[in-house]
Amino acid sequence: AQTVTQSQPEMSVQEAETVTLSCTYDTSENNYYLFWYKQPPSRQMILVIRQEAYKQQNATENRFSVNFQKAAKSFSLKISDSQLGDTAMYFCAFIHAGGTSYGKLTFGQGTILTVHP
Amino acid sequence: DGGITQSPKYLFRKEGQNVTLSCEQNLNHDAMYWYRQDPGQGLRLIYYSQIVNDFQKGDIAEGYSVSREKKESFPLTVTSAQKNPTAFYLCASSTPNGYTFGSGTRLTVV
Repeated sequence: AQTVTQSQPEMSVQEAETVTLSCTYDTSENNYYLFWYKQPPSRQMILVIRQEAYKQQNATENRFSVNFQKAAKSFSLKISDSQLGDTAMYFCAFIHAGGTSYGKLTFGQGTILTVHP
Repeated sequence: DGGITQSPKYLFRKEGQNVTLSCEQNLNHDAMYWYRQDPGQGLRLIYYSQIVNDFQKGDIAEGYSVSREKKESFPLTVTSAQKNPTAFYLCASSTPNGYTFGSGTRLTVV
């Protein structure tokens, strides 16, 4: 079974600074996808960034980028130029691509990020 | 616009009662899911369905039931057998390209 671990229950950062959220995962599979989701106080789940395991290049979406270390099974999220609107719960998630478990997202416990003015 | 509609947004249930949470999608997605969210525990999979008239138990299916009679609809029933049903429930649908989430239902047992 896959597991996803986020070891930082809470993080805080000053506006305009950079913060990195950590995520590790455990799987015996070679073909999978990793995601970071944002859940603001509205509780709507919003996709931040997605990484295919077969791609060595780290995914980037504007101010959000990841550091994907496949051998170490690590998938951290870096938020640059933090904004007040980035305040939210962030979830790391894993999905196996193929087989009977295809489609099931496994989530980490979440990290509450607070951006201070 | 296509999306997932969950209703109601807030639901109160008396102990011993069954209650059904609605989830409807107009995205033409085959796969649908129910997740439960508790503080400090992230999201846990309750049930999922990959095609109509078929569904599978997730990690925490005890005390819950589902049906998938139509592609668009995947209702979740929280039965009286669920010992601690107070939680936030999220419905989702997916294609191989990604997930879409509903806005959730907050269930409180009173």
